[in-house]
Amino acid sequence: NAGVTQTPKFQVLKTGQSMTLQCAQDMNHEYMSWYRQDPGMGLRLIHYSVGAGITDQGEVPNGYNVSRSTTEDFPLRLLSAAPSQTSVYFCASSPWGTGSYEQYFGPGTRLTVT
Amino acid sequence: AQKVTQAQTEISVVEKEDVTLDCVYETRDTTYYLFWYKQPPSGELVFLIRRNSFDEQNEISGRYSWNFQKSTSSFNFTITASQVVDSAVYFCALSEETKAAGNKLTFGGGTRVLVKP
Repeated sequence: NAGVTQTPKFQVLKTGQSMTLQCAQDMNHEYMSWYRQDPGMGLRLIHYSVGAGITDQGEVPNGYNVSRSTTEDFPLRLLSAAPSQTSVYFCASSPWGTGSYEQYFGPGTRLTVT
Repeated sequence: AQKVTQAQTEISVVEKEDVTLDCVYETRDTTYYLFWYKQPPSGELVFLIRRNSFDEQNEISGRYSWNFQKSTSSFNFTITASQVVDSAVYFCALSEETKAAGNKLTFGGGTRVLVKP
């Protein structure tokens, strides 16, 4: 099992550009989510999904879009990149349940917006 | 709303010293789950422990131990006889029990531990 994979590992964007961060998992997990990590703020939830076709907003959703067409994939789209979106982005997956499940995290994508 | 506070932003110790990381949480739920994750310099997030709100027993795993006290809403983590490989950022996190909430985690700001040889 590859677990949770993310591409790319690093990305530099100019303000106003758009891009998609890819996330895939091979564990047949229903629940997938995106977090951003900023210094001193821990990880904050951007969007999450409890299954194909079902997504919802997290704590910091503005400027990001998601869709879930398959169980395996959960891409995160930046519509018009801004310097405030410079961050490290983590995708995570787990079985969907009562909050007790350990989250499996991908290796992260470091994004810089200039 | 849930909140997790890790008041210590950075701790520096010499190898073999013990180090305790504080975690204080806020939630209105009676059933919830607490987690600790480790982020080594390589950047990945490594799961360390999960504890549910009904299990206040302390836990020891090798050099790691956890002290959960519901009365003070704290879930502290101690590394005994620290080693250089323990240098990392450690995150405390909280999730709700209800399925409607999914598996959303609320993280603390993290504590960076630097173990010097």
